[in-house]
Amino acid sequence: DTGVSQDPRHKITKRGQNVTFRCDPISEHNRLYWYRQTLGQGPEFLTYFQNEAQLEKSRLLSDRFSAERPKGSFSTLEIQRTEQGDSAMYLCAISATGSSYNEQFFGPGTRLTVL
Amino acid sequence: SQQGEEDPQALSIQEGENATMNCSYKTSINNLQWYRQNSGRGLVHLILIRSNEREKHSGRLRVTLDTSKKSSSLLITASRAADTASYFCATDDRDSNYQLIWGAGTKLIIKP
Repeated sequence: DTGVSQDPRHKITKRGQNVTFRCDPISEHNRLYWYRQTLGQGPEFLTYFQNEAQLEKSRLLSDRFSAERPKGSFSTLEIQRTEQGDSAMYLCAISATGSSYNEQFFGPGTRLTVL
Repeated sequence: SQQGEEDPQALSIQEGENATMNCSYKTSINNLQWYRQNSGRGLVHLILIRSNEREKHSGRLRVTLDTSKKSSSLLITASRAADTASYFCATDDRDSNYQLIWGAGTKLIIKP
């Protein structure tokens, strides 16, 4: 158990619909990350939160994507007007508070399929 | 964009044999990490080696780092069926204290 849960685990949606994913760290961690992973590839960084502040967004994150971490605990990732190219596994990860080495602990992911 | 590149892309060995995977990267790093991913447990952190370390052990895992060649290797000794998974290396850019950059992974299959 990595201490990170994600919901839902699977999401099937039609092109053009909006979807929202949630990440819940079990305990408080000040660093939270979102990644996207497609089949046969490693994770690609999307965005990073230090507490509730979103400090960096990848160029991969188009304006259809938005992420929030309102109280510095759970986080949500929303994709508006989904496209088939958004089909992927969306992973949330946390770093232990105080870690200087950035070891990350991942949730099980949300697999998105856009039809 | 992916920074790390794992080699080989796929590896199939008999149970009990040793498995070696390699990773190359492009920029200066603070540390390099290896992760394992299988369908049952998702992405799991295995081991971290700092840029000033050359070798590190953890159980059946041995990691080496050669910063002059910008490469690392992961050795799994006495492989078991449960080691079947994809293995990824991840580096953090020396200019960034939060972002990990990942390779495409090595898919390891352990045959019983």
